[in-house]
Amino acid sequence: DAGVIQSPRHEVTEMGQEVTLRCKPISGHDYLFWYRQTMMRGLELLIYFNNNVPIDDSGMPEDRFSAKMPNASFSTLKIQPSEPRDSAVYFCASSSRDRGYTGELFFGEGSRLTVL
Amino acid sequence: AQSVAQPEDQVNVAEGNPLTVKCTYSVSGNPYLFWYVQYPNRGLQFLLKYITGDNLVKGSYGFEAEFNKSQTSFHLKKPSALVSDSALYFCAVRDTNAGKSTFGDGTTLTVKP
Repeated sequence: DAGVIQSPRHEVTEMGQEVTLRCKPISGHDYLFWYRQTMMRGLELLIYFNNNVPIDDSGMPEDRFSAKMPNASFSTLKIQPSEPRDSAVYFCASSSRDRGYTGELFFGEGSRLTVL
Repeated sequence: AQSVAQPEDQVNVAEGNPLTVKCTYSVSGNPYLFWYVQYPNRGLQFLLKYITGDNLVKGSYGFEAEFNKSQTSFHLKKPSALVSDSALYFCAVRDTNAGKSTFGDGTTLTVKP
């Protein structure tokens, strides 16, 4: 399997611009998670989906952040408008609770966002 | 509620020596426990898990972890450390009925030659 695929790997943008991060989970996985990692705050769960339905978005910092999962093979995390404090590495992860799996997460390589 | 504590921000060991990275947890039900490793500029990689059964679980790269229910601990161990084991290690817990895992703050392991 190809693993979790994220794009772009690096994004540099200016404050106020819209940013869209993309994720393709592992085929057959029914859970998808978006995390943010910074030196100050560590690893934070932003939102997760089960069978394409958002289950818990309590970690989404504010209304500038939104996430969608239109189908089982694609998810987006959007920031509009972006601010310098949004600079971080954003990870997507997927998991499954069947076929012998018990929810261990498989992470993508991350999208490093820099907002100037 | 579920939580994880990794009491050490940093662990330093010499190559060839045994290593231990500590983790304690709290869940209301039965725990699923996980260890992940993160190398610089990479995503987290799953190392091993405890679900049920034998308290000593073995994982990738020669790592193992011991589940201790009475001490609510799940320490990561390796008998002989390698310089290439230097990385950031995360412990995570999930209640069997929970949808999401809770991660610790991470422990940076440095193995010196």
